[in-house]
Amino acid sequence: DVKVTQSSRYLVKRTGEKVFLECVQDMDHENMFWYRQDPGLGLRLIYFSYDVKMKEKGDIPEGYSVSREKKERFSLILESASTNQTSMYLCASTRSGRNEQFFGPGTRLTVL
Amino acid sequence: KQEVTQIPAALSVPEGENLVLNCSFTDSAIYNLQWFRQDPGKGLTSLLLIQSSQREQTSGRLNASLDKSSGRSTLYIAASQPGDSATYLCAVRPTGGGNKLTFGTGTQLKVEL
Repeated sequence: DVKVTQSSRYLVKRTGEKVFLECVQDMDHENMFWYRQDPGLGLRLIYFSYDVKMKEKGDIPEGYSVSREKKERFSLILESASTNQTSMYLCASTRSGRNEQFFGPGTRLTVL
Repeated sequence: KQEVTQIPAALSVPEGENLVLNCSFTDSAIYNLQWFRQDPGKGLTSLLLIQSSQREQTSGRLNASLDKSSGRSTLYIAASQPGDSATYLCAVRPTGGGNKLTFGTGTQLKVEL
C-alpha cells in the first residue's frame, strides 16, 4: 500500500513565525502536491512538484513556498505565518501516468 | 475554468438503504474522475478511479459511473452501514496531461442505526 505521511497532525504557531510542514511518501512517486482545505471552499492546490527540485504554482501559492530536495520528501513553508493561513493542510502524491492520487492524514495548523 | 459540484451537500439515511451521490462537472474534457472518502479531521482515502474511456468501476459495495458527455458521475453505495458515514468527494483531472485535480466540495453522509 502507498503510504503518505505528514510530520504533524496538529500544529499551533504564532503570527510571523516561519512554519515548515513536511510530507514523505514511500512509493517512489514522481509527483507530489500540497493542498489546503477550508469549510465551504473545498480543497485548493497550493503547489505541486513533478520531480526533484521542480515545482509549479497551484491556484493559491501566495504566502507559501515549497522545497523538494529528495524524491520522497516535499516540504511546504510558510515564511511568515498569518491568521488567514489557519487551515487543514493535505499532502498527496501520484506516479506519473498512474493518475490515482494518494493523500496523507493532514496537518491542522492554527495560527494565533 | 472547470467547476465541480456535488449535490446534496449533506445526506442522512437509515442503515441498509441503497444511496446515490452525485457529482457534476462543467468541462467534459476530462482524463479521469476519482472518488474519495474523508473521515472527520482526516486525510482523503481513494475509493474509485474512472478513466474517461470507462463507464463504471466497482469495488465491493461501491459502484461509480461516468457520463462524460453530460458532465456527470454518480457513486452508488449498496446496503449502507454506519461505518460509511463520512464526507465523499469527487475530483476530475483534465485531458492533455497535467496532474492538477479539481475537487467538488463534497457530500457529507450520515448513516443512522
